[in-house]
Amino acid sequence: GAVVSQHPSRVICKSGTSVKIECRSLDFQATTMFWYRQFPKQSLMLMATSNEGSKATYEQGVEKDKFLINHASLTLSTLTVTSAHPEDSSFYICSARDSGRTTTYEQYFGPGTRLTVT
Amino acid sequence: AQRVTQPEKLLSVFKGAPVELKCNYSYSGSPELFWYVQYSRQRLQLLLRHISRESIKGFTADLNKGETSFHLKKPFAQEEDSAMYYCALSFPYGNNRLAFGKGNQVVVIP
Repeated sequence: GAVVSQHPSRVICKSGTSVKIECRSLDFQATTMFWYRQFPKQSLMLMATSNEGSKATYEQGVEKDKFLINHASLTLSTLTVTSAHPEDSSFYICSARDSGRTTTYEQYFGPGTRLTVT
Repeated sequence: AQRVTQPEKLLSVFKGAPVELKCNYSYSGSPELFWYVQYSRQRLQLLLRHISRESIKGFTADLNKGETSFHLKKPFAQEEDSAMYYCALSFPYGNNRLAFGKGNQVVVIP
């Protein structure tokens, strides 16, 4: 149980284009999902908190117009990297909290999406 | 601000030797603390959480509020323990976000 999937697993796009990454909770509902960015051999950096039915909450320094987040259902959040540039190349990871479990803040992680902008 | 410190980036130990990964946190309230592990080419997964007080794969971690620490320990390292280990803190406010330490890469030498 508690599986989170991401699609695509890797994507290559040209500079200036937009890329959408999906995060799905497969066997539980998630009113809250999180988007992270991970650079090689470094820790996870929280980018934003995705809230079902409302606006995402972005961390300081993360451009909300650059990284559009939509959480339209209890099992799906999307991250769209708009007008991508090579410096946006990174490993993007999502996680989700099980809405049915209120006694823990545990997050379940997706496998990540490798974005390469050429 | 909430902060998690893992001082050692790389830890090499021989198989059968004890391993201890240090984690200190700064938070004035009552956090929930976790250890997450990331094996090679796999996703991040939960190893331990302090509220469970359990031993997973031989690992234990005790929350010491006085020292604000949550060190991870295993008495006898195995080769399959080679991985990245992240200490993480979640706090009740702010959407229950997780703050991660920088991680420890553990290499168990056969």
